[in-house]
Amino acid sequence: SQQGEEDPQALSIQEGENATMNCSYKTSINNLQWYRQNSGRGLVHLILIRSNEREKHSGRLRVTLDTSKKSSSLLITASRAADTASYFCATALTGGGNKLTFGTGTQLKVEL
Amino acid sequence: NAGVTQTPKFRVLKTGQSMTLLCAQDMNHEYMYWYRQDPGMGLRLIHYSVGEGTTAKGEVPDGYNVSRLKKQNFLLGLESAAPSQTSVYFCASTPRTSGRGETQYFGPGTRLLVL
Repeated sequence: SQQGEEDPQALSIQEGENATMNCSYKTSINNLQWYRQNSGRGLVHLILIRSNEREKHSGRLRVTLDTSKKSSSLLITASRAADTASYFCATALTGGGNKLTFGTGTQLKVEL
Repeated sequence: NAGVTQTPKFRVLKTGQSMTLLCAQDMNHEYMYWYRQDPGMGLRLIHYSVGEGTTAKGEVPDGYNVSRLKKQNFLLGLESAAPSQTSVYFCASTPRTSGRGETQYFGPGTRLLVL
């Protein structure tokens, strides 16, 4: 079974609106990362949040981590059409070395 | 810096044929990974390497072999391709740093169709 489950599977919003996607995981982690994948391309790293952090910002991105609930959320503010992509969370498990376990992804569509 | 590159970009194989996918990185990274991506499944780790001359199995290693003869290259081999290996294959690399889950840098992917 997947370590990371994302919710929703698909999200469609208007340009300028905020987009929120969630990730739940099952076991103890060192950090949680979010990646973006444009159609037909490789994944691009967006942000990393460590297990002792609760919130992190990068530009229009805001990530929260709740280790007690084993969940994270990614907020994209003032979305743009160029934000249309799939977004994946990835967890670095405690004792897992340098391996990441990826979730199933959220497909975001931002319409003009 | 080219980053992580993969060849070929696309390949069609017949069942039973063999092929090798090549991944190269110019960032002097210690760790390298091969993933496959199937619809609705996210990325699954096939094999990985923690340094030149080392390889280890990931989540779905059956039907694949790998080699890391040079630090900058990581090869993924399919000895006898099966239709179930139709997928998009991604290579990634990361520096050693803390060894507790660093940012991974991905290649553009190889689309493989096995008929």
